[in-house]
Amino acid sequence: GQQLNQSPQSMFIQEGEDVSMNCTSSSIFNTWLWYKQDPGEGPVLLIALYKAGELTSNGRLTAQFGITRKDSFLNISASIPSDVGIYFCAGRGWQGGSEKLVFGKGTKLTVNP
Amino acid sequence: NAGVTQTPKFRVLKTGQSMTLLCAQDMNHEYMYWYRQDPGMGLRLIHYSVGEGTTAKGEVPDGYNVSRLKKQNFLLGLESAAPSQTSVYFCASTRDRGGNQPQHFGDGTRLSIL
Repeated sequence: GQQLNQSPQSMFIQEGEDVSMNCTSSSIFNTWLWYKQDPGEGPVLLIALYKAGELTSNGRLTAQFGITRKDSFLNISASIPSDVGIYFCAGRGWQGGSEKLVFGKGTKLTVNP
Repeated sequence: NAGVTQTPKFRVLKTGQSMTLLCAQDMNHEYMYWYRQDPGMGLRLIHYSVGEGTTAKGEVPDGYNVSRLKKQNFLLGLESAAPSQTSVYFCASTRDRGGNQPQHFGDGTRLSIL
């Protein structure tokens, strides 16, 4: 089945630094989604990407849908303590005749003030 | 607007017990999903529903059953709980099947099986 490789698994950064994480796959996806999960809560959608090559920003967050449709990255600029959490990528694509949403394993971000 | 609400938030069961997790959404969404989240595993789809009265298997359906008798509710049942089902369970919904529809998640149910 489709697999997503999300990296890095964890990051420890200083407040004010920029952050970059990415997801790659051997399969093609039609949609890429980036979620953030705070402790004790469900994932919340940050950015949705619908076209290959698309670059979308949401405040200090920027994400891109790779040209090959097999990867996506998320950048966070000038990190702040509330950026702490687990970030998940998700790709939507066809598998076995039906459309499925596949999640990466997450990137745990720690921001030191 | 509550969005997606899951009950209960926490539960401890003994092996062999049964229970039902409830997911309710007030957004009139057609599609609903149940995921489990385990450390280092991301989110894995258990079952999903494309509309009232329908259900379908996801990636890890064994040991679970679901029902969608009303459009706003999606129930996840464990008939005979096993320790391997200790996990955090998330419900999600989308407006329709379209590939452009992001999922709205509940806050999760933490289930421990002793």
